[in-house]
Amino acid sequence: EVQLVESGGGLIQPGGSLRLSCAASGFTVSSNYMSWVRQAPGKGLEWVSVIYSGGSTYYADSVKGRFTISRDNSKNTLYLQMNSLRAEDTAVYYCANYDSSGHYSAFDIWGQGTMVTVSS
Amino acid sequence: SSELTQDPAVSVALGQTVRITCQGDSLRSYYASWYQQKPGQAPVLVIYGKNNRPSGIPDRFSGSSSGNTASLTITGAQAEDEADYYCNSRDSSGNHYVVFGGGTKLTVL
Repeated sequence: EVQLVESGGGLIQPGGSLRLSCAASGFTVSSNYMSWVRQAPGKGLEWVSVIYSGGSTYYADSVKGRFTISRDNSKNTLYLQMNSLRAEDTAVYYCANYDSSGHYSAFDIWGQGTMVTVSS
Repeated sequence: SSELTQDPAVSVALGQTVRITCQGDSLRSYYASWYQQKPGQAPVLVIYGKNNRPSGIPDRFSGSSSGNTASLTITGAQAEDEADYYCNSRDSSGNHYVVFGGGTKLTVL
């Protein structure tokens, strides 16, 4: 069964750091494009970052310079290192498989999400 | 970066047809994908590409596109279709960004 399971969320003070993990099963993270998408409470979806199978990474302007996406091929796991956290980073963070054919982009497999709360 | 605009809320009578729209400049270059999200759940992909449905998505869901507007049509809406719907596409600036619409709350009456 194809599955993504996130972990690592929690309550963190402003300025702190947190690392999210996303364990994949049923497919290989390193062979796919993988992404993080977040959703603030009561708000819409916001794309955060993507890592391509070749290793290139891209970030939304709102997190550039503070967040780092990476993967561990041996563990078939995706990560999101979040530094200098702000209150506005409070959200449910989803990892997702990203299918980009050139004429469309689609997130076709999603994890259940992990909640990150930035508050003092 | 590009933006995608959706109506905040739409309603439809049970069994009727409803169209949810998504507007943005990036849709002139890329097809939209559509997601259904129910409270407390992760989004589910329902339409991608020109008009493709993932396995398990009922054929009452369809997609179309014209100019800068993409549409998700539900033909014969069911009570279980009540949810938030989001569109997304690639950003057309060539910067590898991805954009989402603000979402549409669909109410089935």
